[in-house]
Amino acid sequence: QKEVEQDPGPLSVPEGAIVSLNCTYSNSAFQYFMWYRQYSRKGPELLMYTYSSGNKEDGRFTAQVDKSSKYISLFIRDSQPSDSATYLCAMSPIKAAGNKLTFGGGTRVLVKP
Amino acid sequence: NAGVTQTPKFRVLKTGQSMTLLCAQDMNHEYMYWYRQDPGMGLRLIHYSVGEGTTAKGEVPDGYNVSRLKKQNFLLGLESAAPSQTSVYFCAISLQGATDTQYFGPGTRLTVL
Repeated sequence: QKEVEQDPGPLSVPEGAIVSLNCTYSNSAFQYFMWYRQYSRKGPELLMYTYSSGNKEDGRFTAQVDKSSKYISLFIRDSQPSDSATYLCAMSPIKAAGNKLTFGGGTRVLVKP
Repeated sequence: NAGVTQTPKFRVLKTGQSMTLLCAQDMNHEYMYWYRQDPGMGLRLIHYSVGEGTTAKGEVPDGYNVSRLKKQNFLLGLESAAPSQTSVYFCAISLQGATDTQYFGPGTRLTVL
């Protein structure tokens, strides 16, 4: 079983809809949670960053962490065709020099005009 | 300001051949990482470096070697390529560790026949 699970999709939505993405994880030591966005044939770029539990909002994007359920979510409101990409969750147990990120497999999102 | 560049962009190797992938950065970041990305597997860390002259193993280091003789360059070597090393390779950099924003290069698509 993978340490971080993510539905590969594709998740197809009409323009303007809310996109809901999630990851589940098994390591209760994870404290730092990130969402990276990756356009086709490009490198990933950091989208959202959350520490421990709770919500974080940035424009049309909201990240949620539920550590009791080992579950994180990313919501995209008023989705646009430019949001079509693969979204990768990533997490780490500590903020230290030698730590590493564990990535989910990514969910491909298609926003249709 | 190019950020993170990777050379080459594409390469086809025969089993047993060797090659070196170059990652170069102009952001003066201490940390550099090599990942491989395979369908459904997300990003998996191969090796990383926390500063000039240092290297450390990641999640999947077997079959790869690295060197960081200069702060701005991180080299990934395949001594004897195998078909299982067919993948997309990404280099990333960060300022203070894996949980800081990681900036990724554009990737190298490698096929081993």
